[in-house]
Amino acid sequence: GAVVSQHPSWVICKSGTSVKIECRSLDFQATTMFWYRQFPKQSLMLMATSNEGSKATYEQGVEKDKFLINHASLTLSTLTVTSAHPEDSSFYICSAFPRAEGYNEQFFGPGTRLTVL
Amino acid sequence: GQNIDQPTEMTATEGAIVQINCTYQTSGFNGLFWYQQHAGEAPTFLSYNVLDGLEEKGRFSSFLSRSKGYSYLLLKELQMKDSASYLCAVLDSNYQLIWGAGTKLIIKP
Repeated sequence: GAVVSQHPSWVICKSGTSVKIECRSLDFQATTMFWYRQFPKQSLMLMATSNEGSKATYEQGVEKDKFLINHASLTLSTLTVTSAHPEDSSFYICSAFPRAEGYNEQFFGPGTRLTVL
Repeated sequence: GQNIDQPTEMTATEGAIVQINCTYQTSGFNGLFWYQQHAGEAPTFLSYNVLDGLEEKGRFSSFLSRSKGYSYLLLKELQMKDSASYLCAVLDSNYQLIWGAGTKLIIKP
C-alpha cells in the first residue's frame, strides 16, 4: 500500500521555540494532505487541509498564524508550530490523498509526538 | 518489519452482527485503536485496548489478545449508517502509530 512518512517521530522543545514537522508521500503524489491532532484516547481532530500550490484551509478554532502549513510539492507538506507552548504538546498526524481520479482513500503517517517543556 | 492486517472489505446485513479482525506484528505494543471513517470525513475514535479482554461500548465491542497479536471489533444490530471504513492502528514501543489499511464495511438492507 501507499506509504506516508513523518519527520521527526518525536520532538521535545522549550516553550517559545518553533517546531517543523514534515509529511511526505513516498510512492505517490498527493494533491491534498491533512493535518490532525490527537489527544490521549480521543479522536483525531482535523486541523487543516493542505492543497499543493495553494493556501491551507484551517478548521474553526485552529490558529493559522500559530500552525503554519506549507504544501510546496506534491509529495511534501510541512506543519510548523510557532512559539510552542506546553498546551501544544500532542500527537500530530498527517494523511495524504493520492492524486488519482476516482481515488477516495487517505493514507496516514505514523505521527509526530511533540512535547513542549 | 511492522505489519497490520485486516480484511479489505466485508458485507453484512442490516440488523446482523459482524466481526472485523485485525492481526498485528509490531516492535512493542502500547495499545490498539479502532477508528470508524466515513468517506470524506476524519476518522472517529471507537475504542482503545491495552489489556487483554473484551471492552463493550454500546453496540460496539473490541477484543484484544496480546499474546496472539490479535484484535477484533464486533458490531451488533447493524444499521445502514455503520457502512464505513474501520481502521485498526497499533501504538508501538516508540509510540508510533502503525495503521492498518482499513476494512470497508458494506451494510445491505
